[in-house]
Amino acid sequence: GESVGLHLPTLSVQEGDNSIINCAYSNSASDYFIWYKQESGKGPQFIIDIRSNMDKRQGQRVTVLLNKTVKHLSLQIAATQPGDSAVYFCAERGITGRRALTFGSGTRLQVQP
Amino acid sequence: DAGVIQSPRHEVTEMGQEVTLRCKPISGHNSLFWYRQTMMRGLELLIYFNNNVPIDDSGMPEDRFSAKMPNASFSTLKIQPSEPRDSAVYFCASSKTGAGGNQPQHFGDGTRLSIL
Repeated sequence: GESVGLHLPTLSVQEGDNSIINCAYSNSASDYFIWYKQESGKGPQFIIDIRSNMDKRQGQRVTVLLNKTVKHLSLQIAATQPGDSAVYFCAERGITGRRALTFGSGTRLQVQP
Repeated sequence: DAGVIQSPRHEVTEMGQEVTLRCKPISGHNSLFWYRQTMMRGLELLIYFNNNVPIDDSGMPEDRFSAKMPNASFSTLKIQPSEPRDSAVYFCASSKTGAGGNQPQHFGDGTRLSIL
């Protein structure tokens, strides 16, 4: 079969529009979540994080929303720019057992000028 | 401020050879993580250290892989002998607290490893 990477979900938006990238996480006991941005040839870059006792957190042009009821995380990017084009990963950390981050498979964001 | 520094950035070698990847974490960070990224499996944690001590190595694929952290500012990931299926991008990341703390991990730019 073909690799997961070749079938990364892709979100294509126009420059200036808002982008929403979604992530379904797996562990209902996870207590900490992070969004990373990865550009070609570079390592994942931290964007924003949120603890499980919050449902929303805002940064510069970015907002993360957490819905623990349905185990859903989203990243909203306001006024998307060409420089936002990258692959975006969500990551979660459980509260028991292995405490390291578990990464999702990623979403590719393409910003059209 | 310097970020996580990895070397080499690219490595091409023949199967059977020993490969050593190096990482310098961010100063003051006491946790260090090694990841592997492939198209098929995405980002996978291999091992992480807290205060130079290996805490979880359950992600290390097999005995051919080993990692050390002799001091707070240096870590190595070694593959011996290397195989073509080890070809991937290997990332090192560091964070300020143990894996139990709410601090993000900061990544280096990776080593792209190709085993022929």
